[in-house]
Amino acid sequence: EAGVVQSPRYKIIEKKQPVAFWCNPISGHNTLYWYRQNLGQGPELLIRYENEEAVDDSQLPKDRFSAERLKGVDSTLKIQPAELGDSAVYLCACSLSGMVDTEAFFGQGTRLTVV
Amino acid sequence: DAKTTQPPSMDCAEGRAANLPCNHSTISGNEYVYWYRQIHSQGPQYIIHGLKNNETNEMASLIITEDRKSSTLILPHATLRDTAVYYCIVIRGSARQLTFGSGTQLTVLP
Repeated sequence: EAGVVQSPRYKIIEKKQPVAFWCNPISGHNTLYWYRQNLGQGPELLIRYENEEAVDDSQLPKDRFSAERLKGVDSTLKIQPAELGDSAVYLCACSLSGMVDTEAFFGQGTRLTVV
Repeated sequence: DAKTTQPPSMDCAEGRAANLPCNHSTISGNEYVYWYRQIHSQGPQYIIHGLKNNETNEMASLIITEDRKSSTLILPHATLRDTAVYYCIVIRGSARQLTFGSGTQLTVLP
């Protein structure tokens, strides 16, 4: 079984440009997360989906960040326009819905560098 | 969710047991202790979790003190590939997301 697939693996863009990250979770895992990880720190949650519904986006900077999860499967995270401080690794994760204690599965992440 | 405290770094000799401590003195009765690790340039990987009892799987053992205020992750025979940042996370059973701290950088030395 394939794990969580993210693309691209690396992205370098100039500031003020848009960028998008794509995530394909494990089949049947209805909960999907986007995390951001700055250098030397632990991941921080940006948004959580239950199927196609964003149930927690309180940490998502909505002025420039947006996310979607059409049909409750794949998800896209977008930044427009990007700022220098957005340089980080963006991680996608998924887990099974409806389980009290369950593990989350992470992708390898997309390393974004804004120059 | 309860706050956790971990040492920022630890070293361990290859082949020896690695014992990673975590303090979670404010843990509640319905909160689980989870351990994840993150190898360089990879996403976090689940290791083990527990509520009250000690747990063991093919990767590690989790020892939770009787008062549940601290726990220890044990890698019985550390290898160089176990070099990673290890995160101890306490969450409610009904919670649907993980809140990561800074973790412990474990370096396994040859």
